[in-house]
Amino acid sequence: KNQVEQSPQSLIILEGKNCTLQCNYTVSPFSNLRWYKQDTGRGPVSLTIMTFSENTKSNGRYTATLDADTKQSSLHITASQLSDSASYICVVSYQTGANNLFFGTGTRLTVIP
Amino acid sequence: NAGVTQTPKFQVLKTGQSMTLQCAQDMNHNSMYWYRQDPGMGLRLIYYSASEGTTDKGEVPNGYNVSRLNKREFSLRLESAAPSQTSVYFCASSEGAGAFYEQYFGPGTRLTVT
Repeated sequence: KNQVEQSPQSLIILEGKNCTLQCNYTVSPFSNLRWYKQDTGRGPVSLTIMTFSENTKSNGRYTATLDADTKQSSLHITASQLSDSASYICVVSYQTGANNLFFGTGTRLTVIP
Repeated sequence: NAGVTQTPKFQVLKTGQSMTLQCAQDMNHNSMYWYRQDPGMGLRLIYYSASEGTTDKGEVPNGYNVSRLNKREFSLRLESAAPSQTSVYFCASSEGAGAFYEQYFGPGTRLTVT
C-alpha cells in the first residue's frame, strides 16, 4: 500500500533554533518528493522538489534531503523564525498518471519567542 | 496575477442542501484539482481535470460532481450535503497533469454541514 508517514506530528521550538522533520514513504514506483508549507488558513505552498537522483535541495533556510534507497526524507529548518510556524507536508509522486500524489498528514511546527 | 482563487471562503449548510464551490486560476494552467483536507489526514483528491473538457474521479468522489467550465474555471458541486462532507476544500492547478508539474493551491473553502 502506498503511504507517506511524517514525524513528529507536532513540534514546538524556540526562535533561532534548528529543527528536522521526517518523512518515510512506501510509494512505488517513485517519481519525486516535495515538501509543502501550509500556513494556518491558507493553501499549501511548495518549498522544494527532489527526484530520485537528488539527495539534497536547499531553499533559503530550508534544506531537504532524500535517501531513495531507504525511502526517507527530511526537512531541516535553520535558525527558525516566528514565520516558520506552519504545517509542513511531505508529498510523494508516482512515476506515471495524473492522479499520482500521496500526501502525508503533516508536521505542525510552532516557533515561540 | 491572483493565482488560484476560491469562493466562498466559509459556508455553513444544513444536511440535504446543495451548493457549488467555485475555483478559478489565471496562470493558463491545463490541469485543475479538487481536494479535501480533514484533521489527522492528508489531502485527498476528489476529482481532477487533466485538460479542458475532461474530468476524472480521484480517491473520494462519492457525493460530489464537478464541471470544467472553461480553461480557467473548475467547480465542485455537493448535490445533497451530509455531515461527513464537513471539511476544508482546496482547489489546485498545474501546467500539466504529470508527476513533475507543481500544483498551486487556492486558499481553501471551510465547509460545515450541520
